[in-house]
Amino acid sequence: QKEVEQDPGPLSVPEGAIVSLNCTYSNSAFQYFMWYRQYSRKGPELLMYTYSSGNKEDGRFTAQVDKSSKYISLFIRDSQPSDSATYLCAMGAKSGGSYIPTFGRGTSLIVHP
Amino acid sequence: DSGVTQTPKHLITATGQRVTLRCSPRSGDLSVYWYQQSLDQGLQFLIQYYNGEERAKGNILERFSAQQFPDLHSELNLSSLELGDSALYFCASSVAGGSKETQYFGPGTRLLVL
Repeated sequence: QKEVEQDPGPLSVPEGAIVSLNCTYSNSAFQYFMWYRQYSRKGPELLMYTYSSGNKEDGRFTAQVDKSSKYISLFIRDSQPSDSATYLCAMGAKSGGSYIPTFGRGTSLIVHP
Repeated sequence: DSGVTQTPKHLITATGQRVTLRCSPRSGDLSVYWYQQSLDQGLQFLIQYYNGEERAKGNILERFSAQQFPDLHSELNLSSLELGDSALYFCASSVAGGSKETQYFGPGTRLLVL
């Protein structure tokens, strides 16, 4: 079993829909949780970052962490075609002096007009 | 544009060969990370450098090595290449490598081993 599980999709939704992307993890030591967006042929870019359980909102994006269930989610409201990308969850814990994230495989999202 | 540059963008080579990938971090960033992204394994951390010193090591093969130079640019050397080394190689940088820092990713180098 991989430390971080993420459904690769693709997930296809109409413009304006609410999108829910999810990851589960097995390592209880993970302390921080992130969502990255990766457009085709580009490097990942950080969308959301959180340490604690609960919700964190940033514009149309909401990140949710449930440490008791080892489950994290990213919600995208009013989805746009420009949101079409691969979304990677990542999580990590301190190892020595470093904080190195473990990534999920990514979920491909397609928002069609 | 993240401010991280990587060269070359594409590289095609043969099995058994050696290649060098180059990364220049964002201005002011001291920490550099290397990642490998393949279809079957996803994004995998390889190695981290901070101000010229190796700080953390991940799933990096012995055939691979890296270094960070005094001007903070970094090189990833891949030798005795195998077909399975074909992947996207990303470099990322952050200010100091702490937990609350954003890692900024470069555009990647696409390596194809034939």
